[in-house]
Order: sequence, then C-alpha cells, then structure tokens
Amino acid sequence: NAGVTQTPKFQVLKTGQSMTLQCAQDMNHEYMSWYRQDPGMGLRLIHYSVGAGITDQGEVPNGYNVSRSTTEDFPLRLLSAAPSQTSVYFCATASGTNSYEQYFGPGTRLTVT
Amino acid sequence: GENVEQHPSTLSVQEGDSAVIKCTYSDSASNYFPWYKQELGKRPQLIIDIRSNVGEKKDQRIAVTLNKTAKHFSLHITETQPEDSAVYFCAAGGISGGYQKVTFGTGTKLQVIP
Repeated sequence: NAGVTQTPKFQVLKTGQSMTLQCAQDMNHEYMSWYRQDPGMGLRLIHYSVGAGITDQGEVPNGYNVSRSTTEDFPLRLLSAAPSQTSVYFCATASGTNSYEQYFGPGTRLTVT
Repeated sequence: GENVEQHPSTLSVQEGDSAVIKCTYSDSASNYFPWYKQELGKRPQLIIDIRSNVGEKKDQRIAVTLNKTAKHFSLHITETQPEDSAVYFCAAGGISGGYQKVTFGTGTKLQVIP
C-alpha cells in the first residue's frame, strides 16, 4: 500500500519548457488536489478534483492544467514554465464528502531557470 | 473565499516549555480545523483536528481550542521536546461551491531549544 506517490522528486526546467508532474494514489480516495508551497506563503491550492472527470480551479491556477481520467491518477501539467513556478509541489488526497483529512504525497521540488 | 491568518511565523521555546500557535479565519461557514506538522524536507502530516461543534480537543501533549464566535483557534503543545521542532500549519475547511475545500495558514516554524 504505497499511499500517495509523486514523480519526479526533483526537476529543473528552462523557461518555456513544459512538463507533467505525476500523482498517483492507491487509497481509493475521490478527492485529489495540487498545492504549491513557497516560503512564507503556506500551501496554496492550484487545482482540485472531486472524482474522475471532474476538476476545478483553486487559488492559483494560472499556468497549470489538470485532468482526472481515473480515480488513481491526477497529473499536473505546466504549459510553459516560468521562474515564478519554482516551488515545491504537493499532491494530496481525501476520502470524500465527510472527511476533510488530507494525505500528502512526498512532494516534487521544481526549479525553473 | 476563506482567509486564514497564522501567528507567529517563528517561535523558539526552551525544551519543556509550552508553545502556542494562533490562527484566525474569515468564513463563518468553515466547520473543520486541522493542524498539520511538516518536518524539514518531509510532507505535511495531520496531527490533530477539531470540528465546529467541539470547543477543545486533546491528544497527549497536543491540544486545540476553537472559539467560533471570535473565529479563532489555537494549537497548544505542552512539555515541548526537540522532535517537536517543525513547521506547523493551521487550516480551515468547509463546503465552497458545492465541494469541500481546505485553506491553509502561512505556517509557524517552531524551534525547541534543548
């Protein structure tokens, strides 16, 4: 039982490059979300999904796309990387309507030069 | 939307002393208040949570209090130990736009000095 996994752990991109951060879970949780963590700014919600085929924007969605074709996977796509997207990215899951407890993945540290 | 403010941003205490972290929230509809601990280089992990129908909750050396009228809640750690050193995040959760959402505070870096 791996819980929530994220790949890669580290990534360096050049400005303008695109890439996909992967998130997978084996907890059968309906609710998945992506956060970015920057010093002094806490965890800010980028996008979230309440089930396969349903996604919505969070607090800071610009420059990111998501899709949810299966319960298990929730990839985050950076369309054209910018230095402002240098951050640590966490994927999180929650079981459903009556549980807000979030289980975080190990994170991806992204640097955009 | 919900706005969560957290204070202080850094906190240093001597081992054995108590530590208190305070948060305020803006949306009176929020009804779930978790606290997460994040050790250096690790993922945030839930340490305690409280729902709006409860005023206080304890788990060994950790307690959380909630004042719904004033819209603030606090984390209390007693008899602090070096392994309590970490960043602590408060959060407020509730239904927004038909879906459950959690908004995090900006974090408190706690240092416990041996």
